[in-house]
Amino acid sequence: DAGVIQSPRHEVTEMGQEVTLRCKPISGHNSLFWYRQTMMRGLELLIYFNNNVPIDDSGMPEDRFSAKMPNASFSTLKIQPSEPRDSAVYFCASSTGQGMVETQYFGPGTRLLVL
Amino acid sequence: AQSVTQPDIHITVSEGASLELRCNYSYGATPYLFWYVQSPGQGLQLLLKYFSGDTLVQGIKGFEAEFKRSQSSFNLRKPSVHWSDAAEYFCAVVQPNYGGATNKLIFGTGTLLAVQP
Repeated sequence: DAGVIQSPRHEVTEMGQEVTLRCKPISGHNSLFWYRQTMMRGLELLIYFNNNVPIDDSGMPEDRFSAKMPNASFSTLKIQPSEPRDSAVYFCASSTGQGMVETQYFGPGTRLLVL
Repeated sequence: AQSVTQPDIHITVSEGASLELRCNYSYGATPYLFWYVQSPGQGLQLLLKYFSGDTLVQGIKGFEAEFKRSQSSFNLRKPSVHWSDAAEYFCAVVQPNYGGATNKLIFGTGTLLAVQP
């Protein structure tokens, strides 16, 4: 199994630009999570999908952030417009079942730097 | 609100020495407890988890953790550390899902482990 795939692995952009992060979950997993990791705030859940439906997006920082899951094998996290404070490592994770108690498998992350 | 505390930000041990990483949680009932490891430049990998039953849990890579209700702790241990264990370790907690509410996996701030030769 290829594991959770994220692209790009690194992204450098300028303030105000649109950024799109992509995630392919493990085949057969029906829950998908987007996390953000920073030195100041640690690891935070941004949004959680189950069967392609957003279940909890209370962690999405503001309207500049949006996430979609058009099908079971693909999800995007978009930031528009990006700001320097969005610089972080963004992880996608997937799991079977629903809720948070199943083992989550993390991708390698996308390291985002907004100048 | 539930929270997870990892009091040690950074720990250095010698290769072959024993290891204990501390984790405390704050919640009235027994939550679901996890330990994840993050190697440099990589995502998190689950080491072990505790839901109920035997309070001593065995995980991968020779790690174990013990749930102590009286101390609200879930410390991670390894009897003999290898250089490849150098990584960041995260304790995490989910409270049982009551009332249909969605509960989040709450991570501690992590403990960075360095291993000396």
